[in-house]
Amino acid sequence: NAGVTQTPKFQVLKTGQSMTLQCAQDMNHNSMYWYRQDPGMGLRLIYYSASEGTTDKGEVPNGYNVSRLNKREFSLRLESAAPSQTSVYFCASSDGRGFYEQYFGPGTRLTVT
Amino acid sequence: RKEVEQDPGPFNVPEGATVAFNCTYSNSASQSFFWYRQDCRKEPKLLMSVYSSGNEDGRFTAQLNRASQYISLLIRDSKLSDSATYLCVVNNWGGFQKLVFGTGTRLLVSP
Repeated sequence: NAGVTQTPKFQVLKTGQSMTLQCAQDMNHNSMYWYRQDPGMGLRLIYYSASEGTTDKGEVPNGYNVSRLNKREFSLRLESAAPSQTSVYFCASSDGRGFYEQYFGPGTRLTVT
Repeated sequence: RKEVEQDPGPFNVPEGATVAFNCTYSNSASQSFFWYRQDCRKEPKLLMSVYSSGNEDGRFTAQLNRASQYISLLIRDSKLSDSATYLCVVNNWGGFQKLVFGTGTRLLVSP
């Protein structure tokens, strides 16, 4: 039981390049989330998917797009990377019931030069 | 005012000490509450949910005070392995179940 997995673990991009961060969960959770974490700031929600087939913007969606490919997978795309997108990106999932606690993947460290 | 506020620390304590962290939240309609632990360069991991009546898990005790809008975490008999950043997390309803994260309190336990 791997929980939430993310690829890649590390990535360096040049300004203007694009890339997709992959996330998958094997807990049969309905809801999935993408966050970014920057020094001195709490995790900030980029996009979320409350259930398969739906996606919605979070607090900081500009410059990102997402795809909920199926119940297991939720990808985050940077179409034209900017230095301001240098961050650690975490994917999370929850079963959308009860206390709504979320479980996180190991993160992707992205540097945009 | 931030939605969730924590003292960033660091709290430096010796092994065996008892340490407590507080966290305040601004939304009186917040529905559920959590403490997460985050080790350096790792993902946040759920430490415990915080129930209205308070709850204990081994050396860890969490309390909720809805009237004053704060949550506390008490760690007894600190271990070196408790060194980490502790994130206070609140679940609000903003059209969806939204988790709001504090910036964390850093704990350093020394021998």
